[in-house]
Formats: sequence, structure tokens, C-alpha cells
Amino acid sequence: DSGVTQTPKHLITATGQRVTLRCSPRSGDLSVYWYQQSLDQGLQFLIQYYNGEERAKGNILERFSAQQFPDLHSELNLSSLELGDSALYFCASSVAGDWNTGELFFGEGSRLTVL
Amino acid sequence: GEDVEQSLFLSVREGDSSVINCTYTDSSSTYLYWYKQEPGAGLQLLTYIFSNMDMKQDQRLTVLLNKKDKHLSLRIADTQTGDSAIYFCAGGGNTPLVFGKGTRLSVIA
Repeated sequence: DSGVTQTPKHLITATGQRVTLRCSPRSGDLSVYWYQQSLDQGLQFLIQYYNGEERAKGNILERFSAQQFPDLHSELNLSSLELGDSALYFCASSVAGDWNTGELFFGEGSRLTVL
Repeated sequence: GEDVEQSLFLSVREGDSSVINCTYTDSSSTYLYWYKQEPGAGLQLLTYIFSNMDMKQDQRLTVLLNKKDKHLSLRIADTQTGDSAIYFCAGGGNTPLVFGKGTRLSVIA
């Protein structure tokens, strides 16, 4: 158990809909990262928050947004869903905000299926 | 930005050694990592190497780093069926960790 909790574990929805994925980081970790894992693209970095502020942005679509709340949990909002958004979405956390040190602790992921 | 490449599949017999290879582009990474993903689970850190090291050994795991060629490898000695998983190489100096697509290791009993 990594200590990172993601909900829901599975989600099935239709094209055009909007969903929210939730992540609770390990106790004491200030950074939260969101990654998308698909068969063809592998693990793609979406966005990072550190202590409530956006720290880095990767290949995140404009239809997607995220935030980190004062209690440090984070939510990833996916809107106007398309079939290609079907993937496993991972949240990871770390103590520090910089990228060169420290281990990332991953949740078990939220599997999104768009029909 | 960082680009990490690794082969997608490897199949070995139980008891043999496995070698998983990775190439990366960003030489500013302080650490390079190997993560393991078991079925239905998230990624878990397996081992890492500091960028000024050439080799790191950790029980059955040996990591080799060739900085000149930007090549990283993970050797698993005496591979067991429990080692069947997807192994990800990761690095990133000026960006959050960039992962390769993962190498699926299948261990044949």
C-alpha cells in the first residue's frame, strides 16, 4: 500500500460527459502528479501541483483541468469526453516539489472507459 | 524535453537472468529510476541510480548506467515467476519524471 488513495477505481461514461477523479496523497506529501496511461502512449505526465499551486504542466488537454485543495487532496476534471480519453489515470505524490530527488508514490489508478 | 525509450517485451525462463534496457535523452537527470507495475496495481519504485554512479547492486537487481551513451539497464538475477510485471525506466532533470512505455517481462516456468 503506497498510501495514495484514488477514487473511483473504475468509471464508465459516455462521450460528451464530464467526470472528476479524486486523489488523496500520502500523509505529509505536498506534491501531487497526474499521469495518463494508455496502451499506445504509455505513461504520460499531465500536471503537477505543489502545496496548492500548479507547478508543472505536461501534455494535458484543454478539456482537462485539475486543482489541489488546502487539505492537499487533488481532483482531475475531464470534460467533453471522447473515446480516446479511455485510459488509466494515475495520481502520484512526493514530499518535495522539485523533480530531481525523491520517490514518487503511485495510487492504484482510476480506469476510465468512455463509450 | 526528456524522451525515454525501452523495448516493449521480454520473455525469459525461470532462473535465468533478465536484462531490460532503456535509453534517455536528458543528461541533466540527477537520478534515473526503475519502477515496477504488477497487474492491477500502480507503479512502485524498484531501484534508482544516482547519475554520477556507473553501477548499483541491490540484492538480485543490478543497475548499469552508461552516461556517454545515455543508456540504462536493469538486470534481474535468478528471475522468478513473481518478477513478471511491467518495468518502467524513468528520468527527468528539468521536468517531472518522464517514463518509458514499459517493458513487459514474462517469466516462463
